[in-house]
Amino acid sequence: DGGITQSPKYLFRKEGQNVTLSCEQNLNHDAMYWYRQDPGQGLRLIYYSQIVNDFQKGDIAEGYSVSREKKESFPLTVTSAQKNPTAFYLCASGQQGLGETQYFGPGTRLLVL
Amino acid sequence: GIQVEQSPPDLILQEGANSTLRCNFSDSVNNLQWFHQNPWGQLINLFYIPSGTKQNGRLSATTVATERYSLLYISSSQTTDSGVYFCAGLYNTDKLIFGTGTRLQVFP
Repeated sequence: DGGITQSPKYLFRKEGQNVTLSCEQNLNHDAMYWYRQDPGQGLRLIYYSQIVNDFQKGDIAEGYSVSREKKESFPLTVTSAQKNPTAFYLCASGQQGLGETQYFGPGTRLLVL
Repeated sequence: GIQVEQSPPDLILQEGANSTLRCNFSDSVNNLQWFHQNPWGQLINLFYIPSGTKQNGRLSATTVATERYSLLYISSSQTTDSGVYFCAGLYNTDKLIFGTGTRLQVFP
């Protein structure tokens, strides 16, 4: 089945630790996106990538890093520099440049211990 | 600045009722989309509607791009319609800007 998968579903981070969230898609989409959602809030863009080996900062990129080595994969690392990482993280993909809809994964809930 | 505003922020309905959700957006935003986020967090695209009207079952959406607003109609609401409804507009052809959402609760 085609779609977007995210793992893990829940992730716990200790103080000072870097953690990586996985996002994989088999929809053959060029563009991929990472969003952060805080309780009761909308989605805010962290990073996005329109093509392999290229990515751009979104509105809240500080404390996060990404890579796009393969078309299918767009992992997000939450670094120790992100002081308030507790949130729901959503990955999405879409056809680049066409203004078409984005398709979302099921999300990862990150909690700080 | 870029603005995507939704109203009402919260909506409580009894099953079978109809409702209208509104999204106002600034002139730098185009290509409106509507999403539904279920109670488990999954976000599903409902409509891609840069202009005009579309219908899908009990849901329909209308965007009047010249007046910078979009409406989502839910008819004969069901408990499974509960969740948060977001509108989002495309900015700079590659970034979606999301509104703050309308939280809908439908009771039997």
